[in-house]
Formats: sequence, C-alpha cells, structure tokens
Amino acid sequence: RKEVEQDPGPFNVPEGATVAFNCTYSNSASQSFFWYRQDCRKEPKLLMSVYSSGNEDGRFTAQLNRASQYISLLIRDSKLSDSATYLCVVSSGYSTLTFGKGTMLLVSP
Amino acid sequence: DGGITQSPKYLFRKEGQNVTLSCEQNLNHDAMYWYRQDPGQGLRLIYYSQIVNDFQKGDIAEGYSVSREKKESFPLTVTSAQKNPTAFYLCASSIGTQVENIQYFGAGTRLSVL
Repeated sequence: RKEVEQDPGPFNVPEGATVAFNCTYSNSASQSFFWYRQDCRKEPKLLMSVYSSGNEDGRFTAQLNRASQYISLLIRDSKLSDSATYLCVVSSGYSTLTFGKGTMLLVSP
Repeated sequence: DGGITQSPKYLFRKEGQNVTLSCEQNLNHDAMYWYRQDPGQGLRLIYYSQIVNDFQKGDIAEGYSVSREKKESFPLTVTSAQKNPTAFYLCASSIGTQVENIQYFGAGTRLSVL
C-alpha cells in the first residue's frame, strides 16, 4: 500500500526552466500537506506548506487538489541550487506524517 | 543558536552491541520524533513523544528503545535485536502534535554495522 506516491525522477532541466512535480496521496482524511527539500546526505528542510487555496513563495508555487487527492509543486526559473530531492509530506492526524520517497531534481548549466 | 542537535554524526555498531543516538533541542518544543531513512526510501517513524515521560511506538519500533526524561532530550537506543540497523537516523521536533505543526529536523546520524 503506497500512501504517498511521487515520481522518483530524476528530472533533468536546464537553468531557467520551469518544472513541476506531482504527488498523490491515498488517505482522503489527510489534513495537512507540505513540501520538504532534502539535499544529498542532509536532513529534510521545510520548503512550504500547501493550502487548499494554493500558495506561492517566490519562484515556488504549491497547489492542493483534494478531490483528486494530489499536490503539486511548480518551480519557475530553476537555479543550480534548486538541485535536490523534493519530499511530499502528508499529515492525517496526531504525529502521523507520511513521507513520499521524493522526486530528484537536477538543474544543469 | 536555536535548533536540534544530533550526535554523533557517524556511528559504527558491532554485532550484539547496543548503541545510543543523542538528540537535543532548544526550541522549547513539546513533541519529538525519531525517523529512519534507507536509501531511496521515505522516512519511517520509529518512536515519538508528545510530552516528558511519555512516548509512543511508530511504524517500525521493534529493536529500538527511547526515553524522554527531559523536554530537551530524546535519545534513541538501537538494540542488538535490530538486525538491520544500517540507516540514516533523523530526529525531529514540533511545537505540539496537532496536524498543522511543522516538524524540524536535526542533521542526522549515519549508523553502520562493522
């Protein structure tokens, strides 16, 4: 049973490109949604929370579609420093964070 | 500097040995967590604690033990009963355990078996 599914990638894009990741979740009772970023051999760091109304933080835009149970992350004007693994995270209750396996992004010059 | 400190960064375990991973936070967070990450896998919850002197098993608690004697500290012991301990161990904390609470992570401990 895969509760949070992500395309593992890697997504190879040139600098300046726009790239989008999707994530699907199986638990319709899920209440909170997040994107974390994890650099190679480092800890995950919160990128942004995802709200039903959608939210934007600079070059990053996150969207939530509860009806279809998917979350998306859009990165505009990709930078070399955006190269990382992006983790989709879903919360369904107290202390219950479910992590996807991550989508790897490689931005090349 | 506020944050979560994990030590050691690298740890080696001999067969039959128990080892303890340290996690300390100065964020005044009530809740603390231990996760395990294997290559190409998502994080899996080992144990969590919502308050001092209380903790609950996560999805993969077998072979592990924890204690929460102080709010700031949540050490994890990997016992000899854990037959496949090689992994990246991550400690996290959050203000509470309500669903909207964001978890913040320490830098992790890489455990290997000699």
